[in-house]
Amino acid sequence: QVQLVESGGGLVKPGGSLRLSCAASGFTFRDYYMNWIRQAPGKGLEWISYISGSGITISYAASVKGRFTISRDNAKNSLFLQMNSLRVDDTAVYYCARPLSSRQWLVPASWGQGTLVTVSS
Amino acid sequence: DIQMTQSPSSLSASVGDRVTVTCRASQSISSNLNWFAQKPGKAPVLLIYDASSLQDGAPSRFSGSGSGTDFTLTISSLQPEDFATYFCQQSYSIPLTFGPGTKVEIK
Repeated sequence: QVQLVESGGGLVKPGGSLRLSCAASGFTFRDYYMNWIRQAPGKGLEWISYISGSGITISYAASVKGRFTISRDNAKNSLFLQMNSLRVDDTAVYYCARPLSSRQWLVPASWGQGTLVTVSS
Repeated sequence: DIQMTQSPSSLSASVGDRVTVTCRASQSISSNLNWFAQKPGKAPVLLIYDASSLQDGAPSRFSGSGSGTDFTLTISSLQPEDFATYFCQQSYSIPLTFGPGTKVEIK
């Protein structure tokens, strides 16, 4: 079955950087768009980025554009999120999510367990 | 960006109750509306997609309806495992946006 495992979270100072990874298994990774979605403590869900299966099509939320970079390695079934210039309000659990199907790519159907990023001095 | 609102923000109900949660979009999103349940410390779980399609593995007591701007999630008979926070999400356009959530608590 679909399995997504995020890693790379931790404590970082404001202005610092962190790289998150998401290891995928149980499906043909290169066939799917992939998303990063985050949730600040006690708050709602915020979509932050997607990347197409080929890696050519990418989009970001305004709140992270210019600071975060999404990428993927289809040979290693892995998704990444490079986060630079981190701010206190980037503190959240970060989830990778696979769409419902290769056509319904805006429906995040399968989620990892999340990785916590804490930005604090 | 399309803004999503939900009502109520929380509700108390008993096992066996019929529960209804409402979601409204700031503009028409056709039937591109999805519902998730989230328990504390866990990832969201997709229940309903495209407004009314039941996701594989989701219990049949969950149903969704609506189109355009107004949508409803109904739990026909609330079970102990259904106490959670429910979020709607529009899949009509980027950026994807979520409602603020409705917390369903035990009465």
